[in-house]
Amino acid sequence: SYDLTQPLSVSVALGQTATITCGGNNIGSKNVHWYQQKPGQAPMVVIYRDTNRPSGIPERFSGSNSGNTATLSISGAQAGDEADFYCQVWDSSANWVFGGGTKLTVL
Amino acid sequence: QLVESGGNLVQPGRSLRLSCTASGFTFGDYFMSWFRQVPGKGLEWLALIRSKPYGETIEYAASVKGRFTISRDDSKNIAYLQMSVLKTDDTAVYFCGRSIGVGNAFDIWGQGTMVTVSA
Repeated sequence: SYDLTQPLSVSVALGQTATITCGGNNIGSKNVHWYQQKPGQAPMVVIYRDTNRPSGIPERFSGSNSGNTATLSISGAQAGDEADFYCQVWDSSANWVFGGGTKLTVL
Repeated sequence: QLVESGGNLVQPGRSLRLSCTASGFTFGDYFMSWFRQVPGKGLEWLALIRSKPYGETIEYAASVKGRFTISRDDSKNIAYLQMSVLKTDDTAVYFCGRSIGVGNAFDIWGQGTMVTVSA
């Protein structure tokens, strides 16, 4: 199996940069996708293949991936960014794997 | 868009079939997956069915292999999840999602359908 580890929660002051990590064995060799999920809604991809933003996702959202850690960064955090965030990878042995999710709070 | 249906209250040990109806895109070009989420918990991937060019091959999560069956009908633009021998632990919101190609992100998801397994 393949495990992804995320912090349960991250807090960020309004307007500052939030950083959410996703740890996995040699995750840098995999393509990481990030999803945002607000209460009562379906997940929405905000970063795909480590660093790419789908159309409609603000430039404030960015991603990186190296070694054993992938990172989602949200600059200029806004109240509307509050949500649960999940990382996801495809692993040849475990198929699709999600991290446990991180609750982002904007203070 | 994707719209799930078929969620319901069902007794343990019974079966249930969920449907995921697609519109607005060429359904046959996409891989389809099912996911679930226990209220207040994280996302769990359940099953994948590839598109016809990829042989409509199928993968399952270990947690549902042997009990759940994914299928698709490209003529109707529907993906199905047949669930059997349901357990109380299967209670969750079930989502479907589409992706294109191997290992790519799921760019469209349905709104989810609730399955409650209880006596």
